[in-house]
Amino acid sequence: AQSVTQLDSHVSVSEGTPVLLRCNYSSSYSPSLFWYVQHPNKGLQLLLKYTSAATLVKGINGFEAEFKKSETSFHLTKPSAHMSDAAEYFCVVRPGFQKLVFGTGTRLLVSP
Amino acid sequence: NAGVTQTPKFRILKIGQSMTLQCTQDMNHNYMYWYRQDPGMGLKLIYYSVGAGITDKGEVPNGYNVSRSTTEDFPLRLELAAPSQTSVYFCASSLDRQGPYEQYFGPGTRLTVT
Repeated sequence: AQSVTQLDSHVSVSEGTPVLLRCNYSSSYSPSLFWYVQHPNKGLQLLLKYTSAATLVKGINGFEAEFKKSETSFHLTKPSAHMSDAAEYFCVVRPGFQKLVFGTGTRLLVSP
Repeated sequence: NAGVTQTPKFRILKIGQSMTLQCTQDMNHNYMYWYRQDPGMGLKLIYYSVGAGITDKGEVPNGYNVSRSTTEDFPLRLELAAPSQTSVYFCASSLDRQGPYEQYFGPGTRLTVT
């Protein structure tokens, strides 16, 4: 079965410090991988996606993620957190031709 | 472009009532989806459509119905509302269903059934 595990339900950082949101996946097929962000009472917005063209993927708002096949991971990082980054982040996998599988989300808290 | 729009934003239903959640997209996408999001959980697929006149069940279709008469619209109907259907509902669309094509999400409808 295909699945996504977001290893932390909550991550707390101070403004200006690095962000790391962890995601591991399992897939029998070559997957497409996505990170979405959801601000309070808003819909999901695409941050970035992995399409097999490059293992290091750059997204919007300074976020990036690295696809590591050997570790089946797709962790999301940002060098310096901003208060506006506080939101829920979802790691999503599409295993081959199948439908999207969502992680349970990581809530990022940013303190001044 | 408005993208994906949903109405209403909020709704409170009594048990046994029915309602339709509206979803419209203006991107000429063939693929459309309905998800529900429960607290602390990822999104679960309710129904999806690969084009006008074609729909199929997702993971959690019980208690819901859909139709797709046009490319733009994909309404979701709840026939006999139950407390278990209290959730946030998201509509999404995509250019394709496979590979790297991302889905575009609407702002959601927050539904409470009491």
